[in-house]
Amino acid sequence: EDKVVQSPLSLVVHEGDTVTLNCSYEVTNFRSLLWYKQEKKAPTFLFMLTSSGIEKKSGRLSSILDKKELFSILNITATQTGDSAIYLCAVRPYLRGGADGLTFGKGTHLIIQP
Amino acid sequence: DGGITQSPKYLFRKEGQNVTLSCEQNLNHDAMYWYRQDPGQGLRLIYYSQIVNDFQKGDIAEGYSVSREKKESFPLTVTSAQKNPTAFYLCASSIHEGVDTEAFFGQGTRLTVV
Repeated sequence: EDKVVQSPLSLVVHEGDTVTLNCSYEVTNFRSLLWYKQEKKAPTFLFMLTSSGIEKKSGRLSSILDKKELFSILNITATQTGDSAIYLCAVRPYLRGGADGLTFGKGTHLIIQP
Repeated sequence: DGGITQSPKYLFRKEGQNVTLSCEQNLNHDAMYWYRQDPGQGLRLIYYSQIVNDFQKGDIAEGYSVSREKKESFPLTVTSAQKNPTAFYLCASSIHEGVDTEAFFGQGTRLTVV
């Protein structure tokens, strides 16, 4: 059974701090790992990672994947109150008898205090 | 505008009743998914469909049913057999099972059993 573990489950920091969110996984026939941000309702896509060691960056957010150690990190620098959200990590396997769909972790609830 | 529309946003159900949650997309995506989100549990896959008139059970399909009569629509029925239906339900879609890309999410339906 595919498994995704995120840590920490919750995190409170002050505006301007840098945070690192962790995601470890176990999946048969790994295809890709995705990060989403969920503020209120719909998760919004941040990054998709398929290759080890290649950092993806978007503004103050960046992410990297280690396929040997089976984990990914999401970094947010110079945090702002608008970064407060639940950050979800998900893995996608290659098809298993027609199966698809993402397996999600429980998420990290990040709170940025002014 | 292209996107995924879920309705209603809030739904109240009496015990013993079946209810149907709507999900429509105009992104021309082949694959559609239903997830359930409970506090502290992340997202769990209920059902998914890769093509019209075909769908597969996810990890927690018991007590739910779906149909895929049109490419644009993937309604979810929560039956009276679902023992704990109160949750936040998210519908998602992606281009095609053969293309490794992100899934797009609707705004969700919050179902409460009263």
